Amino acid sequence: KQEVTQIPAALSVPEGENLVLNCSFTDSAIYNLQWFRQDPGKGLTSLLLIQSSQREQTSGRLNASLDKSSGRSTLYIAASQPGDSATYLCAAHGSSNTGKLIFGQGTTLQVKP
Amino acid sequence: DAGVIQSPRHEVTEMGQEVTLRCKPISGHNSLFWYRQTMMRGLELLIYFNNNVPIDDSGMPEDRFSAKMPNASFSTLKIQPSEPRDSAVYFCASSSRQGANSPLHFGNGTRLTVT
Repeated sequence: KQEVTQIPAALSVPEGENLVLNCSFTDSAIYNLQWFRQDPGKGLTSLLLIQSSQREQTSGRLNASLDKSSGRSTLYIAASQPGDSATYLCAAHGSSNTGKLIFGQGTTLQVKP
Repeated sequence: DAGVIQSPRHEVTEMGQEVTLRCKPISGHNSLFWYRQTMMRGLELLIYFNNNVPIDDSGMPEDRFSAKMPNASFSTLKIQPSEPRDSAVYFCASSSRQGANSPLHFGNGTRLTVT
């Protein structure tokens, strides 16, 4: 059974810092891994999707990497801004034939001005 | 693109009452998912549909929960009878094709409180 873990549960950094959020998964036979952002009282917004054949994806100041062999993914945020404050969730997709995503508990990020 | 639309945004009901949550997926998306989010358990997949057909309902907690998708533009999640432990935020999400490599688009959720 796939389990997804995110550490730390919460993180507070000053504006301008580069930071890394961590995600680990127990079953390396994933089809892809996705990173989402959730603002308070809102749904989830898809940030990046890394297919199993890829090692990283980039979008603006965000870079996500995937290492299937070690069961890890990281989300790198460059030059953090107060607007980046949110909860970030990673989710592992276990099969190409289903839409089943298994989510981590998330890391709540606070970027202080 | 109006996004995934859920209603109501908030629902407060008494234990034992029937609750119906509604979802309109993004037009053209053929996969629809119902998730539940709580502080203790995080995000849990309850059920998902592909082309209006339920594919996996193994996450539905018990027989009190049921979901339908009568057409491509509408789905409901019903709880009957509701219990206080059902209190959570229920999210609907849709994607453009079954399988991976298609990001999920989430609605803003329905916050359910059962007293």
